[in-house]
Amino acid sequence: GAVVSQHPSWVICKSGTSVKIECRSLDFQATTMFWYRQFPKQSLMLMATSNEGSKATYEQGVEKDKFLINHASLTLSTLTVTSAHPEDSSFYICSARTGQMNTEAFFGQGTRLTVV
Amino acid sequence: AQKVTQAQTEISVVEKEDVTLDCVYETRDTTYYLFWYKQPPSGELVFLIRRNSFDEQNEISGRYSWNFQKSTSSFNFTITASQVVDSAVYFCALSEALSNFGNEKLTFGTGTRLTIIP
Repeated sequence: GAVVSQHPSWVICKSGTSVKIECRSLDFQATTMFWYRQFPKQSLMLMATSNEGSKATYEQGVEKDKFLINHASLTLSTLTVTSAHPEDSSFYICSARTGQMNTEAFFGQGTRLTVV
Repeated sequence: AQKVTQAQTEISVVEKEDVTLDCVYETRDTTYYLFWYKQPPSGELVFLIRRNSFDEQNEISGRYSWNFQKSTSSFNFTITASQVVDSAVYFCALSEALSNFGNEKLTFGTGTRLTIIP
């Protein structure tokens, strides 16, 4: 299957700083990328949907000014957690899809963010 | 609104036993897609299967099999002759079918943590 690479795998940052997470589709063009958040022992909650070259669509309750999403190319989307706080500590995982009808979403390996 | 329910939070079985993970879904769409993903301790999500709402045939892939029943809105997953490597969290997911392909969002269940005891 297609490969989605997410970087970094884990990051520890100080409260108040910003952290950028990258999601790359390595062998296909991802017209749409999704960002999920997963708290320990919980399910994946969709944060936002991003389409290349346009603004991301955020789910209800997700602060767009805090979680900045940029999908500048067909192979790269970034999630920036701005002014991170300990409650932002979580597992963030991206997925990417081609423009074809309901192919499966390919997931990155996830990024574990710890804010201290 | 779409909803996926995985009532089994945690299951433990002894190696070589068969185990079935339940998934019940709710949707108003007539066309939709169902998925199963495996999340091992390392965290990545591994795709297992996609099934569209018009295909109710059961599927078997090695030790894995899936039973899709629209009448009960269920899409259950069975592992036969379980192995320790099957230990993971398994998620069932549902997506609608949209005209702009690729934008369909996945709604995940809460997951079932499966532990295979050697």
